[in-house]
Amino acid sequence: QQQVKQSPQSLIVQKGGISIINCAYENTAFDYFPWYQQFPGKGPALLIAIRPDVSEKKEGRFTISFNKSAKQFSLHIMDSQPGDSATYFCAGGYNNNDMRFGAGTRLTVKP
Amino acid sequence: DVKVTQSSRYLVKRTGEKVFLECVQDMDHENMFWYRQDPGLGLRLIYFSYDVKMKEKGDIPEGYSVSREKKERFSLILESASTNQTSMYLCASGSNTDTQYFGPGTRLTVL
Repeated sequence: QQQVKQSPQSLIVQKGGISIINCAYENTAFDYFPWYQQFPGKGPALLIAIRPDVSEKKEGRFTISFNKSAKQFSLHIMDSQPGDSATYFCAGGYNNNDMRFGAGTRLTVKP
Repeated sequence: DVKVTQSSRYLVKRTGEKVFLECVQDMDHENMFWYRQDPGLGLRLIYFSYDVKMKEKGDIPEGYSVSREKKERFSLILESASTNQTSMYLCASGSNTDTQYFGPGTRLTVL
């Protein structure tokens, strides 16, 4: 039983477009919601993270939107670039560490 | 920079063999984790450890065991490898005030 559900499985976006990936979680005890980015042949790396006391966090072109009542959060990538092509994982967890991951979204940004 | 290293990038073993996957971190993190990554399933937690000689089962511990004799080293053991354990194995480390950092992964094939 997956505690964090992620969609879509794959996403194709034109360069300059907006990429949106959605996640939903079940465990209301989660207090940490990171997004990880993984390039082929590499391990996942933290991209951006949010805590449930804020509704939005922005870092450069990457924004997390968080809806606590709906138990949903999403990643928005503005002005998507071919270099953003990667697999993205959302996660939910406690104390930054005991995390459960979504199934991943393979993003392809076409030039 | 945090460095998490895994002993092998690629490994091929035969059914029934005992397999050891080693992970070493250089950040003095208390917490270490083993995940397996499969297409469409994301990252699934196998085992984790919050301290030396301490271990906790994750979501899919069956067929695996772990060992943590030193703080920096966390080993995953497949007592008798089976073909359904063919997967990418990712090790991660972290602390309660910092996120998880992942190694590059070991792609294990069991024939």
